[in-house]
Amino acid sequence: DTEVTQTPKHLVMGMTNKKSLKCEQHMGHRAMYWYKQKAKKPPELMFVYSYEKLSINESVPSRFSPECPNSSLLNLHLHALQPEDSALYLCASSQSGTPEQFFGPGTRLTVL
Amino acid sequence: QKEVEQDPGPLSVPEGAIVSLNCTYSNSAFQYFMWYRQYSRKGPELLMYTYSSGNKEDGRFTAQVDKSSKYISLFIRDSQPSDSATYLCAMITSGAGSYQLTFGKGTKLSVIP
Repeated sequence: DTEVTQTPKHLVMGMTNKKSLKCEQHMGHRAMYWYKQKAKKPPELMFVYSYEKLSINESVPSRFSPECPNSSLLNLHLHALQPEDSALYLCASSQSGTPEQFFGPGTRLTVL
Repeated sequence: QKEVEQDPGPLSVPEGAIVSLNCTYSNSAFQYFMWYRQYSRKGPELLMYTYSSGNKEDGRFTAQVDKSSKYISLFIRDSQPSDSATYLCAMITSGAGSYQLTFGKGTKLSVIP
C-alpha cells in the first residue's frame, strides 16, 4: 500500500459544528503532516507529527486540534471554524530520514 | 522577500514543446529541492527531488539545481496535454525527525494539443 488516504473527500459545516478530518497511511512512515491550501495558493504547513508526537505547530488557531492516535492515523478536529477556514486540507507522510513527502488527495472543506 | 519565488504563469505551450519551469530561493539552509505536480482539486504528486547541484533526469523530466545561484529548474521534454497541471517547487529543511517543505506559488501549465 503506497498511498495516503483522506476522509471525507468533501465536508460542509456550520460555524458552530464540530467535525473531524481523517488521514491514514500504511507505508510505515513515522512523520505525518497537515497542510492547508487555499485556491490558487501553495500548501501551507499547519502541524507536523514525528513518531506520534507533535513536533511542529505553525501558530495554528486552537479551533484546529490535531491528534495522532497511532503511527498510521492522523486526525484534525475542527471546532467553531470561520468561513475563511474554507480550503483544501492535505495530509502528507514521510519515511523517517527521507525528505519525500507523499500527499493524500485532500478534504475540501467549506465553512458556512 | 519571500524565501521561494516562482513565477505563477500561466504558461501555455503547444504539444511537443520543451517546457522550462524555474524557482529562486534565498535561504541557504535549504537542503533538498523538489518538484511536485498538482492536478486541479487533487493532492500534490512528487515528481523529483535532488539535494546537490547538477542535473537529475527521469524520463521526460530533468531537474536542475544551481546552489551557487540559488536557482532550480524543471524541464519537460516532448510535453503532452496530460502534463497540464500546476507545478510547485519546494525546498526542504530538516529538524526534529521530520522535514519542512517551503513551497513556491506554483506555475500553472497548459499544453495545447
